[in-house]
Amino acid sequence: DADVTQTPRNRITKTGKRIMLECSQTKGHDRMYWYRQDPGLGLRLIYYSFDVKDINKGEISDGYSVSRQAQAKFSLSLESAIPNQTALYFCATSNSRYNEQFFGPGTRLTVL
Amino acid sequence: TQLLEQSPQFLSIQEGENLTVYCNSSSVFSSLQWYRQEPGEGPVLLVTVVTGGEVKKLKRLTFQFGDARKDSSLHITAAQPGDTGLYLCAGASRNQGGKLIFGQGTELSVKP
Repeated sequence: DADVTQTPRNRITKTGKRIMLECSQTKGHDRMYWYRQDPGLGLRLIYYSFDVKDINKGEISDGYSVSRQAQAKFSLSLESAIPNQTALYFCATSNSRYNEQFFGPGTRLTVL
Repeated sequence: TQLLEQSPQFLSIQEGENLTVYCNSSSVFSSLQWYRQEPGEGPVLLVTVVTGGEVKKLKRLTFQFGDARKDSSLHITAAQPGDTGLYLCAGASRNQGGKLIFGQGTELSVKP
């Protein structure tokens, strides 16, 4: 079984809809991250969490919110989706040493 | 703001050729990581370098961390079609508070 799982893998939605992307991990890591990936822009950090009570904004948090329901679960919400949020979204976990990231398989989100 | 510049952004070569990908910054990093991403999947960690001047080898891949810990390179010897993918460098530093800074990525295509 995969160590970091994301659901759904693909989602097509309409402008204005609320969307939740979910991430679960079995690696036992405290640190979890949400990134979006756009062609030519690499990975940009949306939100990150170092434990259940710790939530931090990344470089592009506007229009997004997160919830850390448990050590193993970290969900990302788009309250009112807009077309420029069309992207690949990745969840990642990390151990503390060197901050090496372990990524999920990604969610491809299309907002029409 | 710390930035990592990767070059080239795209690289298309024939099987058997050698290539080098560069990752440069004006900032010092405590460690630098290289990831490889295949279509439809999340990035996978290849290596972490932590000491200035460090060289690590992974089969036909050679990774080097600059003496000043501001830059890194990835050299592939005798590239194979299976090396095709997106290569990402990412840097960690103490003043980033547990976050990684990612380069834009190098899209490598190795043709048989």
